[in-house]
Amino acid sequence: LQLQESGPGLVKPSETLSLNCLVSGGSINNNDYYWGWIRQTPRKGLEWIGSVFHSGSSHYNPSLQSRVSVSVDTSRSEFSLKMRSVTAADTSLYFCVGLRTGSYVADYWGQGVRVTVSS
Amino acid sequence: SYDLTQPLSVSVALGQTARITCGGDNIGRKNVHWYQQKPGQAPVVVIYRNSNRPSGIPERFSGSNSGNTATLTISGAQDGDEADYFCQVWDSSTMLFGGGTNLAVL
Repeated sequence: LQLQESGPGLVKPSETLSLNCLVSGGSINNNDYYWGWIRQTPRKGLEWIGSVFHSGSSHYNPSLQSRVSVSVDTSRSEFSLKMRSVTAADTSLYFCVGLRTGSYVADYWGQGVRVTVSS
Repeated sequence: SYDLTQPLSVSVALGQTARITCGGDNIGRKNVHWYQQKPGQAPVVVIYRNSNRPSGIPERFSGSNSGNTATLTISGAQDGDEADYFCQVWDSSTMLFGGGTNLAVL
């Protein structure tokens, strides 16, 4: 199973960051996995953003919950991240991941996409 | 919130045993996963659910978890094991990571 992120590498402050992740080599309807987003910065390390099941049910990091949403489009075998009202603090390397249900271990990772928030 | 504490760095002589710890309140009651990340690459699971090794991960990687400390052990460390290592748990419907430990093989 492979994951591939896509989306703009530059977003203006106060705008919405939008990223997509294409799932290939396996089914996004797999009951064994949640699909999620994790970001990484040198200062804060790895930070889970949120996850979604193919049914659409989702979980979010409480610290980001008010301005993020993770959704799934099973017809396109894609899931997406939207983060509103971004600031420079949201500049990060964003990974899409496949999280095993039950244990929440990130078995699958995309290569990551670097997003910079700047005017 | 639940905190996971890792040493910033660990060094080990080539061929010796490295131990990387992950501290947390009663972490022994949780499932701990360990990831290895090399520069420019995404993390890779090396241990899941405390002590299980995914297929393709060398037997020199092992894990344990008890009390307030989970430990990743690398027996007979190799040059290729130089990397950052992160522990991770799922707590209160939140996925949490330790700050990461840089392993240097001397």
